[in-house]
Amino acid sequence: KQEVTQIPAALSVPEGENLVLNCSFTDSAIYNLQWFRQDPGKGLTSLLLIQSSQREQTSGRLNASLDKSSGRSTLYIAASQPGDSATYLCAVSQGGSEKLVFGKGMKLTVNP
Amino acid sequence: IAGITQAPTSQILAAGRRMTLRCTQDMRHNAMYWYRQDLGLGLRLIHYSNTAGTTGKGEVPDGYSVSRANTDDFPLTLASAVPSQTSVYFCASSDSISDRGRAFFGQGTRLTVV
Repeated sequence: KQEVTQIPAALSVPEGENLVLNCSFTDSAIYNLQWFRQDPGKGLTSLLLIQSSQREQTSGRLNASLDKSSGRSTLYIAASQPGDSATYLCAVSQGGSEKLVFGKGMKLTVNP
Repeated sequence: IAGITQAPTSQILAAGRRMTLRCTQDMRHNAMYWYRQDLGLGLRLIHYSNTAGTTGKGEVPDGYSVSRANTDDFPLTLASAVPSQTSVYFCASSDSISDRGRAFFGQGTRLTVV
């Protein structure tokens, strides 16, 4: 059974820091990996999607990398801002399906 | 604005009552999903549908049923609600062709069973 882990569960940093969020998964036979953002009381917004054949994806200040063989992904946030405060979730899909298995998320607080 | 619409936004329900959570998407995605989100447990898949007319069970399907009569709608029914079904429910959709498998989520339904 696929398990996805995000450590730590919470992180508080001052504004301007470059951040690395970690995600690990137990079964390397994934279809894709997605990083999501969730604001309090809201739904999930997909930030980046990495197909199993890809190594990284970039969008603005965000960069996500994927190392399938080691079962790891990182989300890099450059020059963090208070508006980046949210919960970030990692999820993987398997077997040609798009059903997602989620990590429990990491709550990020960026202090002005 | 294209996306997923869930209704109701929140509901307090007496135990034993039947309830249907509604979900509609306007992106013509083939696949749709229902997840529940619980503190400490994260998001877990309840049921899914890869295409209209088909459904499948996820990780936590007991006590729930779904139908997929057309591409746009994917209602989730609680036949006889129990307090353990208190949760935030999210509907999602994806399509491997039009959006490369990227998942889109609704805003959620907060359900309290008392």
